[in-house]
Amino acid sequence: AQSVAQPEDQVNVAEGNPLTVKCTYSVSGNPYLFWYVQYPNRGLQFLLKYITGDNLVKGSYGFEAEFNKSQTSFHLKKPSALVSDSALYFCAVRDLVGQFYFGTGTSLTVIP
Amino acid sequence: DVKVTQSSRYLVKRTGEKVFLECVQDMDHENMFWYRQDPGLGLRLIYFSYDVKMKEKGDIPEGYSVSREKKERFSLILESASTNQTSMYLCASSLRTSGRGTQYFGPGTRLTVL
Repeated sequence: AQSVAQPEDQVNVAEGNPLTVKCTYSVSGNPYLFWYVQYPNRGLQFLLKYITGDNLVKGSYGFEAEFNKSQTSFHLKKPSALVSDSALYFCAVRDLVGQFYFGTGTSLTVIP
Repeated sequence: DVKVTQSSRYLVKRTGEKVFLECVQDMDHENMFWYRQDPGLGLRLIYFSYDVKMKEKGDIPEGYSVSREKKERFSLILESASTNQTSMYLCASSLRTSGRGTQYFGPGTRLTVL
């Protein structure tokens, strides 16, 4: 069975500091991993995905994520946080028939 | 750009009413999904469809039904709305391509059942 876990409900970081939002996964077979962001009262927006290839994936708005097979992790990162990055972040894994399994979300607050 | 639209952003209904939530996508995607989102629970899959007239139950189908008569449209139906169905409802679509297709979301419908 596929699943993802986001161990932190809330992450606070000062503006300009690097940020990390954690995600671990459990899949059978090759993982197809995704990050989404949700701003208040909006739907989810796609940020980036890992399918195969380079373990460091670059996405929208300066975000990147590192796939680590040995640690079964796919942490989201950004070198320098902006106040506008404050939002809810979801990690997800997709199975071969197209069903997505989402984590419970991590609320990121960037403090000015 | 993929566009997924939902018929209402905010909806207020009374207990026992029949409620229709409509979702339309314009990218010829085979797969469509309905989720509900509640604080602390993340996204939970209600139903999904991988083709016209096809549907599969997700994790929480009780109290809901769906209809997919056309490829671009996927409707969620609350047969008799109850207060515990107050939630944010999100529709999404994706290509069927094995494992690779990104899921695209609509803006959501915040439903309140009184």
